[in-house]
Amino acid sequence: DAGITQSPRHKVTETGTPVTLRCHQTENHRYMYWYRQDPGHGLRLIHYSYGVKDTDKGEVSDGYSVSRSKTEDFLLTLESATSSQTSVYFCAIRTSDRFGETQYFGPGTRLLVL
Amino acid sequence: QKEVEQNSGPLSVPEGAIASLNCTYSDRGSQSFFWYRQYSGKSPELIMSIYSNGDKEDGRFTAQLNKASQYVSLLIRDSQPSDSATYLCAVNSGGGSNYKLTFGKGTLLTVNP
Repeated sequence: DAGITQSPRHKVTETGTPVTLRCHQTENHRYMYWYRQDPGHGLRLIHYSYGVKDTDKGEVSDGYSVSRSKTEDFLLTLESATSSQTSVYFCAIRTSDRFGETQYFGPGTRLLVL
Repeated sequence: QKEVEQNSGPLSVPEGAIASLNCTYSDRGSQSFFWYRQYSGKSPELIMSIYSNGDKEDGRFTAQLNKASQYVSLLIRDSQPSDSATYLCAVNSGGGSNYKLTFGKGTLLTVNP
C-alpha cells in the first residue's frame, strides 16, 4: 500500500461547509497527488506537490486548494463544498520500483456533499 | 488536451480464456504506460508497466505497446473470476515535476466461472 493513509475514509457534509481531507505517507516520497474519481470521468488530477510548500494545479483544480507543510502530509481543502464535489478522492505518491517511475494510491475518501 | 481512450465494456470472458483490453492515447510524446486494476470500492492497484514497443510479460499478464499506432493493450491469460475488475490504462507524457498520469475511464472485465 506504499505506506499511504487517508483520513477521513468517509465523510458526509453540507453544501457551503469547508472540508479538509488528509493524505499521510510514511516513506518520505517527494511527489504527492490528489485525484477525484467519478463515474463517466475516470480519475482526474486535482492538485499535486513536488516538495514541501511546492504545489501546482491539475486539470480540475477549481474549488480546491492544497497545502504541504511537511513531507508526510498533503492536505486537500474544499473551501465551500458543493454537491458537484461529491466524489471519491484518492491520494497518490510517486516512486521508482520494478515498474519504473510510477504512482501508487491510497485507500480513498468517499465524500458526500448534501 | 491529452486523452486516453478505453472501451468501457463490460467485457465478459469465460474462465480460462484470454481477456484482451485495449487503450489508445492522443499524445505522441507519451513515454510510459501503465495498467491498474481496480476492484469495486477499492483503490487502483498497479499491475503492469511498459516503456518500449513490443510485448512485456509478467505472470499471466502481457502488456503490448505500439507507439506508431498510439496503442496499448493488456492480455490476461487463463482468466480467473478473481480477475473481474475495472482495468485502467494510464499514460505519462512528462518527466521531473511535469510527470503526470492521464487515465482512461476504464474497462470493466467480468470473468464467468
